[in-house]
Amino acid sequence: DAGVTQSPTHLIKTRGQQVTLRCSPISGHKSVSWYQQVLGQGPQFIFQYYEKEERGRGNFPDRFSARQFPNYSSELNVNALLLGDSALYLCASSLSQGTTGELFFGEGSRLTVL
Amino acid sequence: SQQGEEDPQALSIQEGENATMNCSYKTSINNLQWYRQNSGRGLVHLILIRSNEREKHSGRLRVTLDTSKKSSSLLITASRAADTASYFCATNAYRGAQKLVFGQGTRLTINP
Repeated sequence: DAGVTQSPTHLIKTRGQQVTLRCSPISGHKSVSWYQQVLGQGPQFIFQYYEKEERGRGNFPDRFSARQFPNYSSELNVNALLLGDSALYLCASSLSQGTTGELFFGEGSRLTVL
Repeated sequence: SQQGEEDPQALSIQEGENATMNCSYKTSINNLQWYRQNSGRGLVHLILIRSNEREKHSGRLRVTLDTSKKSSSLLITASRAADTASYFCATNAYRGAQKLVFGQGTRLTINP
């Protein structure tokens, strides 16, 4: 079975632009979460979606938004990019929405903002 | 903000030795998980320990949890070069939501 897949793997944007990152969860997984990992830091929670509804939101500005589609894939959108948005964006899926399970991570999308 | 803090930030040992990494956190938790990350790639889940458990084993991994001290440790026995990676602890303190709070990680280097 395929794992969590993310696209694109690398991208370069300039300040003020907008970016859309995509994630396909493991087949059968209904929960998708997004994390931002700045170089040298641990991942920070951005969003969790379960059954197409937002279940959790981290401490990120409104420039960050996400959605989940009927097939459980997800998109993360970031508007008005800042230099500080340069990071590895990780998507993770799991079977349940709750606290009991492990997360399965994709390889990430590395965003560079110039 | 990051709830967990790993100690040490970096650890370098010889192949075959044991590696111990520690994690401290600030709030009550439902469970604590350890993940491994190879050089800027995706994270791989290693082990989950629930708040009512004190110790758990998986292969060469041993995790302990002390909720009174709000701390956990990860022991890797008989280390191998392939264990070279960054290791993160992550806590889940939220009911009904999967919001993991990660520490800053321990960068482990195994020298052949």
